[in-house]
Amino acid sequence: QKEVEQNSGPLSVPEGAIASLNCTYSDRGSQSFFWYRQYSGKSPELIMFIYSNGDKEDGRFTAQLNKASQYVSLLIRDSQPSDSATYLCAVKSPGDKLIFGTGTRLQVFP
Amino acid sequence: EADIYQTPRYLVIGTGKKITLECSQTMGHDKMYWYQQDPGMELHLIHYSYGVNSTEKGDLSSESTVSRIRTEHFPLTLESARPSHTSQYLCASSPGDEAFFGQGTRLTVV
Repeated sequence: QKEVEQNSGPLSVPEGAIASLNCTYSDRGSQSFFWYRQYSGKSPELIMFIYSNGDKEDGRFTAQLNKASQYVSLLIRDSQPSDSATYLCAVKSPGDKLIFGTGTRLQVFP
Repeated sequence: EADIYQTPRYLVIGTGKKITLECSQTMGHDKMYWYQQDPGMELHLIHYSYGVNSTEKGDLSSESTVSRIRTEHFPLTLESARPSHTSQYLCASSPGDEAFFGQGTRLTVV
């Protein structure tokens, strides 16, 4: 079992819709969770982090964490074509390793 | 956000050569990471460091080595490059939990 799992996609949504990206992790001791955006040919860029159960909102982005289910999600409201990218879920293990999922490719079409 | 620099950006080198990929950050971050990423694929953690004189191997079996003699510098060395080492190498630094990436080095071994 991979430590961090994501559906590779592509996830296709129309402009203006809500995009929902999901991630599960295997280590129950993990405490810190991150979402990165990576455009093709570029480095990952941090967009959200969450430490506590529940929701955390930042502009059009909402991160959701459920530690009991070992589940993290990212919602993107009012999706724009410029949001088209690969979204990487990352988890900080108790040993301080930062482990990434395979990423979900999001396509927002006009 | 961190200022983190990787050099060179692109490198084409012959099989058997020794190479060092440079990574420097100016923010005084204790934690630094090296990842390997093939195009369209996931990031694999190959080495990380908690601070000066601390280095750990990641999850990807690698023929590379790292050193951390100064806080700001975390070079990655391949003693004998092989075509299988052709990939993108990404360096990141972290003040605590969240990590920030450099622009990457795209390595091609011919």
